[in-house]
Amino acid sequence: DAKTTQPPSMDCAEGRAANLPCNHSTISGNEYVYWYRQIHSQGPQYIIHGLKNNETNEMASLIITEDRKSSTLILPHATLRDTAVYYCTLTYSGAGSYQLTFGKGTKLSVIP
Amino acid sequence: DTGVSQDPRHKITKRGQNVTFRCDPISEHNRLYWYRQTLGQGPEFLTYFQNEAQLEKSRLLSDRFSAERPKGSFSTLEIQRTEQGDSAMYLCASSLGRGGTNNEQFFGPGTRLTVL
Repeated sequence: DAKTTQPPSMDCAEGRAANLPCNHSTISGNEYVYWYRQIHSQGPQYIIHGLKNNETNEMASLIITEDRKSSTLILPHATLRDTAVYYCTLTYSGAGSYQLTFGKGTKLSVIP
Repeated sequence: DTGVSQDPRHKITKRGQNVTFRCDPISEHNRLYWYRQTLGQGPEFLTYFQNEAQLEKSRLLSDRFSAERPKGSFSTLEIQRTEQGDSAMYLCASSLGRGGTNNEQFFGPGTRLTVL
């Protein structure tokens, strides 16, 4: 069962920041938060991950709350090409397969 | 292109037939994963290889499914006696590194299976 909860859908105006929330209230201390997105008919694409500090890369920023029970993925200037399903997942950092457990994700629609 | 490749991209088969899919991971990646995705759902983990060793299998992987990675490079996923419920997108992913700190998984485009 997925250990994360996300809203099923969100809209964002083109050029504006898209803020996608994720709840992971049962996260354990050695689990990382990973974000992926899936554009229709393609395989998922890695976006960003973090443990407890905020992270930023060329695609997005990840804000993790101090208690680590939730996080927000921020796309600073959404474009039409960012329309996709966004998945928040948890991955154990100890020994193991590091399999990803996906929920249903958030379908983000960027509107012109 | 040095990404993960999968072959075929689409497969239509009749119920009861056997099918085999191939995945070529990114060359230096020692971890390889298979996932299955049905319409409207996120991908579900099937199995995982570290080099040539199959180290974990999901309960979803019934005895009709078998996966191999004989030389620690490409992998195959075979489904025997296909059923209509096997219709799905089969995704392969690979990753490099140890632990959760460096486990970005890179996915292939998937093989879409339709069982008639």
